[in-house]
Amino acid sequence: GAVVSQHPSWVICKSGTSVKIECRSLDFQATTMFWYRQFPKQSLMLMATSNEGSKATYEQGVEKDKFLINHASLTLSTLTVTSAHPEDSSFYICSARDRGGTYEQYFGPGTRLTVT
Amino acid sequence: GIQVEQSPPDLILQEGANSTLRCNFSDSVNNLQWFHQNPWGQLINLFYIPSGTKQNGRLSATTVATERYSLLYISSSQTTDSGVYFCAVSPGNNDMRFGAGTRLTVKP
Repeated sequence: GAVVSQHPSWVICKSGTSVKIECRSLDFQATTMFWYRQFPKQSLMLMATSNEGSKATYEQGVEKDKFLINHASLTLSTLTVTSAHPEDSSFYICSARDRGGTYEQYFGPGTRLTVT
Repeated sequence: GIQVEQSPPDLILQEGANSTLRCNFSDSVNNLQWFHQNPWGQLINLFYIPSGTKQNGRLSATTVATERYSLLYISSSQTTDSGVYFCAVSPGNNDMRFGAGTRLTVKP
């Protein structure tokens, strides 16, 4: 149980285009999901907290107009990277907490984005 | 915000050796998890351990919440144990803050 999926697992896009990444909790409901970014040989950094039915909360330094987050249901959050640039190339990972469970968080397998 | 420090940053072992990884955190937490990040980037959840001791095969973990540290023990290490180990904590019921990780290399 407690599986989180992400789609796509990897994507290559051209500079200036937009890319959407999906994060789904497959067997539990999550009122809150989180989006992290990881650059090579670095740790994971929180980008934003996605709240079902309300606006996302962004960490300082993360552009909310560039990284659009939508949490339309208790099992799905999406991250859209708008007008992508090569510096947005990174590994994006989402996580979710079972609203009926403990504080344990479950992480997706990640999406590797390359902007050319 | 909460600070998370992991040590050592790098560790090289011979296959069969034992090791201890440490995670110090600066504030009270509701959640502490240990992860192993595999070569494809996926985070493998090893332990959810905000307090106490747990064991799973060759791995075990102990968190002393009152002293704000956690330890991950790896016994009889294997080459497949290589990778980066992360400790992550959450002071509330929300986002997790990650340490910088320990990069473990197990040589045959």
